[in-house]
Amino acid sequence: GAGVSQSPSNKVTEKGKDVELRCDPISGHTALYWYRQSLGQGLEFLIYFQGNSAPDKSGLPSDRFSAERTGGSVSTLTIQRTQQEDSAVYLCASSFWDSNQPQHFGDGTRLSIL
Amino acid sequence: EDKVVQSPLSLVVHEGDTVTLNCSYEVTNFRSLLWYKQEKKAPTFLFMLTSSGIEKKSGRLSSILDKKELFSILNITATQTGDSAVYLCAVFYTGTASKLTFGTGTRLQVTL
Repeated sequence: GAGVSQSPSNKVTEKGKDVELRCDPISGHTALYWYRQSLGQGLEFLIYFQGNSAPDKSGLPSDRFSAERTGGSVSTLTIQRTQQEDSAVYLCASSFWDSNQPQHFGDGTRLSIL
Repeated sequence: EDKVVQSPLSLVVHEGDTVTLNCSYEVTNFRSLLWYKQEKKAPTFLFMLTSSGIEKKSGRLSSILDKKELFSILNITATQTGDSAVYLCAVFYTGTASKLTFGTGTRLQVTL
């Protein structure tokens, strides 16, 4: 597709369950980023991939959060044992390798923990 | 601590007005400043600014960066109801981290 694609668009789950969020970046974009946007808050950086490796995981809030990227393309963000404070919109962005290229965002996954 | 501050937090104007949105930043290893527009879902890219004093323009929107005073402004002239959105400012910097640091945004509402 032409843009960054994320799935699911909405996810409602019970506290304690694991969830997996998917991001399919723009074709040719080697850099991929995950952000989180909580209600009334700015976007918060979670993790950055260059190809399949993650040189910067500094934003992951706890060890319940992990992410991987395979084939230099699709990425999954996994949250284990979800808590209510994990409720947020999770946004994925991608860009070309050149760090002076803009990041383009997907529509996000709205995650609600009951 | 790196930070990006936007002002005002929210703004209500009448269609046809001109608005100026502000973004100030304190980051190390600054590379560029980006503006995004966020309506319901994905932030959409507006401008990327890397050099001081060079205005970027797209239709009724324009933006400029001042690297000495560490701020940027986004101007929207002849506002329309379709301009209603949250405008996000973000700074890209490199070093041990390569990521965007966002401000909390300015919520703009344009009324008839």
